[in-house]
Amino acid sequence: AQSVTQPDIHITVSEGASLELRCNYSYGATPYLFWYVQSPGQGLQLLLKYFSGDTLVQGIKGFEAEFKRSQSSFNLRKPSVHWSDAAEYFCAVGARDSSYKLIFGSGTRLLVRP
Amino acid sequence: DTAVSQTPKYLVTQMGNDKSIKCEQNLGHDTMYWYKQDSKKFLKIMFSYNNKELIINETVPNRFSPKSPDKAHLNLHINSLELGDSAVYFCASSPAGPYEQYFGPGTRLTVT
Repeated sequence: AQSVTQPDIHITVSEGASLELRCNYSYGATPYLFWYVQSPGQGLQLLLKYFSGDTLVQGIKGFEAEFKRSQSSFNLRKPSVHWSDAAEYFCAVGARDSSYKLIFGSGTRLLVRP
Repeated sequence: DTAVSQTPKYLVTQMGNDKSIKCEQNLGHDTMYWYKQDSKKFLKIMFSYNNKELIINETVPNRFSPKSPDKAHLNLHINSLELGDSAVYFCASSPAGPYEQYFGPGTRLTVT
């Protein structure tokens, strides 16, 4: 069965510091992979996606993620965090069957220290 | 221009009532979804429609009934509301196929 694990419930970083949010997935084939961000009281905004090709993908707001097949991981990174990055981050796997549904991880809440 | 919109944004109601949440997308997408986000922020797919046809129905109680009058709209009707239905419900849309999904702002349902 498909599943997504985000092992960190909360992460706190100082403004200007680098960030890495972890995501591990379980899927029988190469999945479609996504990172979404949810600001308080808001909907989900797509940060970036991986379908195939280059395993390092660039997204909006200076985020990037790297797909590592051998580790079943798709970690999100940002070299310098801004206070406005404080939010909930969700990793998701997209099914490669006809449903194309998204299976979400449990989310990681990012707190940014001034 | 809001791409995926939901109404209402907040819904407070009593147990046993029936309520509906509406969703509209102006992106021209063929596929629409309903997700439920519980109090622990966990997001789970409920339903998916492709061009008005039900594609996914994920072990959701029969009290929940989606309706898609056209491919730009997907409404969610809930009968006999229970306390456990309290959650944030998100509508999303995407082109048909393995594409990213665009989410609405959510509807926070509180059942008292």
